[in-house]
Amino acid sequence: QPMLTQSSSASASLGSSVKLTCTLNNDYRNHIIAWHQQQTGKAPRYLMKVENNGRYTKGSGAPDRFSGSSSGADRYLTISNLQSEDEAEYFCETWDTDSRVFGGGTKLTVL
Amino acid sequence: QLQLQESGPGLVKPSETLSLTCTVSSGSIDRTTYYWGWIRQPPGKGLEWIGSIYYSGRAYYGPSLAGRGTIFVDKSNNQFSLKVAFVTAADTAMYFCARSLYHAPFDSWGQGIMVTVSS
Repeated sequence: QPMLTQSSSASASLGSSVKLTCTLNNDYRNHIIAWHQQQTGKAPRYLMKVENNGRYTKGSGAPDRFSGSSSGADRYLTISNLQSEDEAEYFCETWDTDSRVFGGGTKLTVL
Repeated sequence: QLQLQESGPGLVKPSETLSLTCTVSSGSIDRTTYYWGWIRQPPGKGLEWIGSIYYSGRAYYGPSLAGRGTIFVDKSNNQFSLKVAFVTAADTAMYFCARSLYHAPFDSWGQGIMVTVSS
């Protein structure tokens, strides 16, 4: 069964960049993951999927400032030129044959 | 653009059965490429996958409902539904429906419906 680990919180200043991390358990270190953004009081929004080779494919709603990358079992979401509307919780997701799992989420504060 | 909309009661009594429906608009539920899923989020907590169903009716479930959940498809109304039996306060959550391809992320989400379990 895949598992995902995320830091509970992160913060960065307006206009700066931030890199959020989602870590797969070792048996599933090559899995694809997805990133979702959830602003307060709203439904999650799909941002992108990130493969183990670092390739990422964005969904139609993801701003250009968002990008993905990978290293080993870690999958990253980088947000450049942080805006106030980027303050949200970010969840990663992965899946196996008949199962899906979400990470615990990282709450991003824009200072 | 595909739209998903959850509906159902906002309040359910303990030990009763919770029934929720997700109506799919601007897209057919009867497509061979898509899976339809339910996810919930207890207040102040993270996302929890409940289960997913293929248009054929084949469903698979996560551990969160411990066998109390059933998902089924109603092709005639372009809907899919979730039933949770013997609810307790621990089932109080925002419930979301969503779409995915097989072995792919949820790429469209409903707006969610808040369900409270209380007498």
